[in-house]
Amino acid sequence: SQKIEQNSEALNIQEGKTATLTCNYTNYSPAYLQWYRQDPGRGPVFLLLIRENEKEKRKERLKVTFDTTLKQSLFHITASQPADSATYLCALRGDTGRRALTFGSGTRLQVQP
Amino acid sequence: DAGVTQSPTHLIKTRGQQVTLRCSPKSGHDTVSWYQQALGQGPQFIFQYYEEEERQRGNFPDRFSGHQFPNYSSELNVNALLLGDSALYLCASSKPEGSEKLFFGSGTQLSVL
Repeated sequence: SQKIEQNSEALNIQEGKTATLTCNYTNYSPAYLQWYRQDPGRGPVFLLLIRENEKEKRKERLKVTFDTTLKQSLFHITASQPADSATYLCALRGDTGRRALTFGSGTRLQVQP
Repeated sequence: DAGVTQSPTHLIKTRGQQVTLRCSPKSGHDTVSWYQQALGQGPQFIFQYYEEEERQRGNFPDRFSGHQFPNYSSELNVNALLLGDSALYLCASSKPEGSEKLFFGSGTQLSVL
């Protein structure tokens, strides 16, 4: 069956360090993968999209990698700040013809000052 | 430009009752998707509406139904509420076919007692 797995344990890091979150998937052949940020009681907010033919994508302090051989995406936040504390969700669209975006369970990041 | 708006923000119902949740998509968007998010979980896809028709459906029972109006706004109806229906219900809108990212509302927190 299709699965998207993110580390369910919260990630606690010190301010200024780099946070690295992992998203693994099985039985998908996604054309692209997305990352969203979600704050408590709010809807997810789109951050980045990376396509299958892109190895890496950057946006300010954010970096995403996508390895279709390993079926894994890594999401990095450099020079992390307490304001980066949130839950980060990866999402990908199912196989050709399926339009729904499927989400992982998310990883909660806590940046300590 | 208003983003995705959902109403109500909070709702308390008892088992067996019926509920209707409402969503107005972001301006220029014509596709609306509904997600259910239980505490500590990622959003689970319920269904998607485009051109007033249900285009795709997730693994949810027929108790969950929806509607899209000519102005692209949408409703989610849940009949015969169960305790397990307690969750954050998220509406997301997107541009016409080919646009990948979703814009989410802040959700409706439904509690079933």
